[in-house]
Amino acid sequence: SQQGEEDPQALSIQEGENATMNCSYKTSINNLQWYRQNSGRGLVHLILIRSNEREKHSGRLRVTLDTSKKSSSLLITASRAADTASYFCATERINTDKLIFGTGTRLQVFP
Amino acid sequence: NAGVTQTPKFQVLKTGQSMTLQCAQDMNHEYMSWYRQDPGMGLRLIHYSVGAGITDQGEVPNGYNVSRSTTEDFPLRLLSAAPSQTSVYFCASSYSTGGGSEAFFGQGTRLTVV
Repeated sequence: SQQGEEDPQALSIQEGENATMNCSYKTSINNLQWYRQNSGRGLVHLILIRSNEREKHSGRLRVTLDTSKKSSSLLITASRAADTASYFCATERINTDKLIFGTGTRLQVFP
Repeated sequence: NAGVTQTPKFQVLKTGQSMTLQCAQDMNHEYMSWYRQDPGMGLRLIHYSVGAGITDQGEVPNGYNVSRSTTEDFPLRLLSAAPSQTSVYFCASSYSTGGGSEAFFGQGTRLTVV
């Protein structure tokens, strides 16, 4: 079964608003990663947060990780129409070499 | 810098046919993997490899074979195609696992089995 579940499944916002996506997972992990996929394209890596980190920033992206709750969130601030895409979390489980993806959140940003 | 290259981009197969999806990377990455993406299911791991000569099963390995004879190439073989294998297939590579490194993805192969 899949490791991660994203919430919400779909999100629609206006340009300039913030977008928050959540990811829950089931087992202990080494790290958690967020990826972006534009329609019909391959995935692109956004940010990686290790299990001993609680928060990480990259440009307009802010990721948090709560290992006690087995959850992570991705915040995109001041969103743009170009941020329209699907966003996936992926977890690297402890003692495995597997990178397991969640089901994704479809983000639509309207101009 | 080509990154991860998948061929073909599109393929239509008849039920029972076999074929090989090709994946090559030029980044000298040790770790390579294959995923399939179906609507509403996200990406599911089929097989992966931590280095030449080493492969292992992922979440949905049935109906697929892999081998890794070189660091650069990681082909995925469909032994006897079934309509349930209609999907978009992605190959990915990364420098390593465990220590945590980003995965680089190919552009995908859209496979239809009729």
